[in-house]
Amino acid sequence: AQSVTQLDSHVSVSEGTPVLLRCNYSSSYSPSLFWYVQHPNKGLQLLLKYTSAATLVKGINGFEAEFKKSETSFHLTKPSAHMSDAAEYFCVVSAVFPSNTGKLIFGQGTTLQVKP
Amino acid sequence: NAGVTQTPKFRILKIGQSMTLQCTQDMNHNYMYWYRQDPGMGLKLIYYSVGAGITDKGEVPNGYNVSRSTTEDFPLRLELAAPSQTSVYFCASSYFSGTTNNEQFFGPGTRLTVL
Repeated sequence: AQSVTQLDSHVSVSEGTPVLLRCNYSSSYSPSLFWYVQHPNKGLQLLLKYTSAATLVKGINGFEAEFKKSETSFHLTKPSAHMSDAAEYFCVVSAVFPSNTGKLIFGQGTTLQVKP
Repeated sequence: NAGVTQTPKFRILKIGQSMTLQCTQDMNHNYMYWYRQDPGMGLKLIYYSVGAGITDKGEVPNGYNVSRSTTEDFPLRLELAAPSQTSVYFCASSYFSGTTNNEQFFGPGTRLTVL
């Protein structure tokens, strides 16, 4: 079965400094991985997705993530945080075992705080 | 396109009452999903549908029912509301062809409180 673990429940950075949100996954098969962002009282928006093409994936708003199979990781990064980046971030894996049902499995979420 | 729309945005129910959460998508997606999000938690799948007339249970289906009579609509029914169903409910849809790429599009959510 697939699972995903977000290693930090809260991350706090200063505006203009780099962002790193960590995610490890477990999957016996080549997974599809996603990062979604949720701003307060809003729905979820897709930031980026990995689907077995390039291992370095670029998303919206300057975010990117690198798929590392040897480390089973899919960490999200941004070179310079902006106040508008403050939100909840979810790492997500697509369930493909025992059958490819289209279900997504969500991590617990990481709250990103950006200080002025 | 409006994308995925949900109504109502907020609702307060008394224990034992029933209600239907509405979800509509205009992207001609075949798959639709209902999730609940409890405070500080990720999303948990309640029910999903792979097409009109076909539904299946997710992780936490107890206390809920769904139907999918059209491609566009996927209502979620709570028959006997309980305080444990206090949550934020998200509907999502995707065009899923059987590959692993299943980007889901989410509605804005319905915040439900059961007192």
